[in-house]
Amino acid sequence: GQNIDQPTEMTATEGAIVQINCTYQTSGFNGLFWYQQHAGEAPTFLSYNVLDGLEEKGRFSSFLSRSKGYSYLLLKELQMKDSASYLCAVYNQGGKLIFGQGTELSVKP
Amino acid sequence: KAGVTQTPRYLIKTRGQQVTLSCSPISGHRSVSWYQQTPGQGLQFLFEYFSETQRNKGNFPGRFSGRQFSNSRSEMNVSTLELGDSALYLCASSLGDRGSSYNEQFFGPGTRLTVL
Repeated sequence: GQNIDQPTEMTATEGAIVQINCTYQTSGFNGLFWYQQHAGEAPTFLSYNVLDGLEEKGRFSSFLSRSKGYSYLLLKELQMKDSASYLCAVYNQGGKLIFGQGTELSVKP
Repeated sequence: KAGVTQTPRYLIKTRGQQVTLSCSPISGHRSVSWYQQTPGQGLQFLFEYFSETQRNKGNFPGRFSGRQFSNSRSEMNVSTLELGDSALYLCASSLGDRGSSYNEQFFGPGTRLTVL
């Protein structure tokens, strides 16, 4: 079956660093995406990993280990506007994008 | 470049009715995927259309159907609506080139469907 696990919710303080983990078991693997979704809005693209390692993009970084079926999204210098749901999604072998349930991140002052 | 647009943005229907939702992809994108998002189930894949053909399908009943036109615009239809169909329906477009392993999906704002 297809399974993507992420924590349901996390809380962090403004200015801090937070790491959101994602583990997956899918039929094949063709890349992993992280999306950000603010309440009432559409998901927006944050990062893409297809090879092992770290991809850095400004305050956001994403890491992938294909052998462990594991990824994380790292958010640095947290801002209040980073309060949102963070979705991990995997392209499986059949070309379907399978989403996790999302992690609701609350950033407190 | 204009983003993905969806119409209508909000819709209220009653059980047993049918509904048609529309999605216009980003110009040049040939793939349109549809998702259902609910608080309990998260984002679930409905189907993907590419060049007017259904290329992929999720695990939804036959009441959920779709189509794509020659200009890549897509519609999805839900017949015999049930209360559980109340959800945010998102469409996403991408280039759809299976030869590329990177195929970012751009999401539209969604249609909020409420079934009473």
